[in-house]
Amino acid sequence: DSGVTQTPKHLITATGQRVTLRCSPRSGDLSVYWYQQSLDQGLQFLIQYYNGEERAKGNILERFSAQQFPDLHSELNLSSLELGDSALYFCASSPRAWVEETQYFGPGTRLLVL
Amino acid sequence: GESVGLHLPTLSVQEGDNSIINCAYSNSASDYFIWYKQESGKGPQFIIDIRSNMDKRQGQRVTVLLNKTVKHLSLQIAATQPGDSAVYFCAEILNSGNTPLVFGKGTRLSVIA
Repeated sequence: DSGVTQTPKHLITATGQRVTLRCSPRSGDLSVYWYQQSLDQGLQFLIQYYNGEERAKGNILERFSAQQFPDLHSELNLSSLELGDSALYFCASSPRAWVEETQYFGPGTRLLVL
Repeated sequence: GESVGLHLPTLSVQEGDNSIINCAYSNSASDYFIWYKQESGKGPQFIIDIRSNMDKRQGQRVTVLLNKTVKHLSLQIAATQPGDSAVYFCAEILNSGNTPLVFGKGTRLSVIA
């Protein structure tokens, strides 16, 4: 158990809908990272937050957004969902801002868009 | 449930043998590398890392080798056990700083008991 929790575990929704994925980092970790894992693209970095502020941005679509709250949990919002958004979404946390620090991954949320 | 794609290279190893998983990284300017293990239905788990100023680093039953000349990274697992069955990813960081981890496609290790 990495200490990172993600909810929900599974999510099934329809095209055009909007969903919110939630992540609670390990106790004391200030950075949260979001990744998408799909069959054809592997693990892709989406976005990083550090202590409430956006720190780095990867291949995140404009339809996707994230935030980190004062209690350090983070939410990833996916809107206008398309079939291709079906994937596993992982969050990871680390103590500080540096990407070289070990990132601890949560168990993931499996999203299926029908 | 499955964690990753269906078209990963697969390495099948007899229990007790040594495993070698290879990774060709993309950027000669990358200076930090990590191996992750992902078991079915779980998130990736850190195994071992290495900086570009090193050629070799050892952990418990694992060794990472870095060949910068040919941009090649390998993970050696000694005395492979059934619990080592998983998908293994290498990841690289370009110029240590604010650039994100870039993950390779992964290799599925299957241990035959």
